[in-house]
Amino acid sequence: GAVVSQHPSRVICKSGTSVKIECRSLDFQATTMFWYRQFPKQSLMLMATSNEGSKATYEQGVEKDKFLINHASLTLSTLTVTSAHPEDSSFYICSAPPQGADYGYTFGSGTRLTVV
Amino acid sequence: GQQLNQSPQSMFIQEGEDVSMNCTSSSIFNTWLWYKQDPGEGPVLLIALYKAGELTSNGRLTAQFGITRKDSFLNISASIPSDVGIYFCAGQNGNDKIIFGKGTRLHILP
Repeated sequence: GAVVSQHPSRVICKSGTSVKIECRSLDFQATTMFWYRQFPKQSLMLMATSNEGSKATYEQGVEKDKFLINHASLTLSTLTVTSAHPEDSSFYICSAPPQGADYGYTFGSGTRLTVV
Repeated sequence: GQQLNQSPQSMFIQEGEDVSMNCTSSSIFNTWLWYKQDPGEGPVLLIALYKAGELTSNGRLTAQFGITRKDSFLNISASIPSDVGIYFCAGQNGNDKIIFGKGTRLHILP
């Protein structure tokens, strides 16, 4: 079945540094990938839609200059949290619609970001 | 905007009991999805519904899509310890973005 791999699973960084999170579709091509953020005991909130070969579409209230998204190939999307601050600490999850599927996304296993 | 209201927020049950949770929406969705999330993991799709009134089963799980396409319920029969987790309902129209409910946290008492 469709598998989405996300790396790293956990990362701790210092305030002010940047962190890159990778999301790969392992056995299918994904022209679109979705990035979600989840705070403790909260639901998944869509941050942005990553489009292969074009600019990402950001949800209202998400700073595109802070959360840089690059979708350079049909199997890889990256999210870079720039100048991270403690309030950016969260669980970031990527997902992609499986090729040929009519509905639903396959989710990665998530990245726990802690900014200290 | 589109919102999904999920209830209950959390449940504490004994192993072996049946579980029921539901979800309502302020707008119509073509597809209704139920996901389960284990701690520290991404959500995993349990059941997808795309016909109004549809009743679908997946093992001990049963879900129904409301006639109005604005609600759904998920039942789990004879709960076991590995059922613990967060259950999210979600709505989707075509290949558009998925909107998630706030989740139902299932706890099983020893």
